[in-house]
Amino acid sequence: AQKVTQAQTEISVVEKEDVTLDCVYETRDTTYYLFWYKQPPSGELVFLIRRNSFDEQNEISGRYSWNFQKSTSSFNFTITASQVVDSAVYFCALSEAQNTGKLIFGQGTTLQVKP
Amino acid sequence: NAGVTQTPKFRVLKTGQSMTLLCAQDMNHEYMYWYRQDPGMGLRLIHYSVGEGTTAKGEVPDGYNVSRLKKQNFLLGLESAAPSQTSVYFCAAGPSGLPNTEAFFGQGTRLTVV
Repeated sequence: AQKVTQAQTEISVVEKEDVTLDCVYETRDTTYYLFWYKQPPSGELVFLIRRNSFDEQNEISGRYSWNFQKSTSSFNFTITASQVVDSAVYFCALSEAQNTGKLIFGQGTTLQVKP
Repeated sequence: NAGVTQTPKFRVLKTGQSMTLLCAQDMNHEYMYWYRQDPGMGLRLIHYSVGEGTTAKGEVPDGYNVSRLKKQNFLLGLESAAPSQTSVYFCAAGPSGLPNTEAFFGQGTRLTVV
C-alpha cells in the first residue's frame, strides 16, 4: 500500500532560521511522483513542486530546496532564512503511477515562523 | 481565468439534511477529484472522475455520491449528512491522469454538520 508520513506535526522557528520538513513515503511502484503543497492560513492549497521517481537531483527555488533520496524513500523540504509569510501547513503527497492522478497526502506539518 | 471554483464556500447543515457541493473548472481538464481534509489526517480522496460521464470511488467514499454530467462540473452529494462529515472539502482538476501533471485545487468548502 502507498503511504506518506510527515512525522513532524508542528514546527516553530524564529524568523531567519533554516527549517527542514521531513517526508517519508512508501510505494511498490517503480514510477511515481512526489509533491509538496503549501496551505497558508487563508486555506487554499498552493502547489510548490513535483518530482518524478527517476529524477533524484535536488532542486532549489529561491529560499526553497528539496532533497529527494530514493535510498531512504524521503523527499524533504528545506526553507532557508525563514520568514513570517512561510507560516503555513505543508503537505507532502505521492501520486500513483496508474494514470489516475490520485494523490495520497501526508498528515501535514504546521510551520510557525515567529518574528 | 478562474481555474477551479467551488460553491458554496461555507455551509452549516443539520444532521440528516442533504446538500450538493458544486465544483466547476474552466480549464477543460479531463480529470476531477473530491478530497476531504480533516485535522491531523491530511487530504483523503472521496471520489474522482477520469472524464465526462465517469466516476470512481476513492479512499473514503461512504456517505457521498458524485456525478459528472458535464465535463466542466463535478458534483459531490451528501444524501443524509452526519456530524462525521464535518470537514473541509477540496475539489481538484487535472489535464490528464498522468502522474506527472499537477492537479489544480479549488479554494475549499468548509462544511459543518450539527
